[in-house]
Amino acid sequence: GAGVSQSPSNKVTEKGKDVELRCDPISGHTALYWYRQSLGQGLEFLIYFQGNSAPDKSGLPSDRFSAERTGGSVSTLTIQRTQQEDSAVYLCASRSRGGGETQYFGPGTRLLVL
Amino acid sequence: GQNIDQPTEMTATEGAIVQINCTYQTSGFNGLFWYQQHAGEAPTFLSYNVLDGLEEKGRFSSFLSRSKGYSYLLLKELQMKDSASYLCAVRRYNNNDMRFGAGTRLTVKP
Repeated sequence: GAGVSQSPSNKVTEKGKDVELRCDPISGHTALYWYRQSLGQGLEFLIYFQGNSAPDKSGLPSDRFSAERTGGSVSTLTIQRTQQEDSAVYLCASRSRGGGETQYFGPGTRLLVL
Repeated sequence: GQNIDQPTEMTATEGAIVQINCTYQTSGFNGLFWYQQHAGEAPTFLSYNVLDGLEEKGRFSSFLSRSKGYSYLLLKELQMKDSASYLCAVRRYNNNDMRFGAGTRLTVKP
C-alpha cells in the first residue's frame, strides 16, 4: 500500500487477556518503530527494527511486551496478560534506509483494557 | 539517557506568529525533527534540522543550535487548522534511535 497500515484500528479487551497488534510498513522501508501514546501524552518509544539487525528493545516497559518482524516487513506487537495501564494508542512508523530520514506513521491502534 | 523538553501548552491568535521551543540533552546527536499531530491522528512530518541555522518551509520554519541543545518551530500567519500538538524529536547516532518529546498543544483562537 501507499502508507503504513495498522490493524485493528480499535481493540477492547479484558484485563489479563493477550492482544496482538499488527503493522504493515511502507514497502521497501527497512526501519520499523513501535511507539505508545497515552491520552494527551507524547510518544513513548517501545522497540525498533532495522533490517536483519537485532532489534532495539530498550523501550519495552515489561516482559509482557514483545514484538516480531517477519521477513523484514510486517511486524506484530504482542502484549500478554494486559493491564489497564496498557490502554493507549500504539503507533507504528517506518523509515527508508536512505535519504529523507523521516518516519511515516500509521493511523495507530487504540487499545482499551477493561 | 536523554531529556527533551518543550512547553505543554500554548495559545495564540489567528494570523499571529508563535514560536515553540524545544531543548534537549543527548549524546550522539544526529538530527532534530518536528512533527504535527492533530487530535486522534498520527503525527506527520514538518521539518528536519541537522546543521545549525534556520530551515524555512512556507509558513513554518525550524531553527537549531547544536551547541545550546536548542530548537524552535516558528509558525507564521496562524490558521485555525494549525491547532494541534507539535512534537520535537531527536535522532541519535547512526539513525537507529529516535526519541520524542511530550509535545506542545497549540490552540489557535479567532
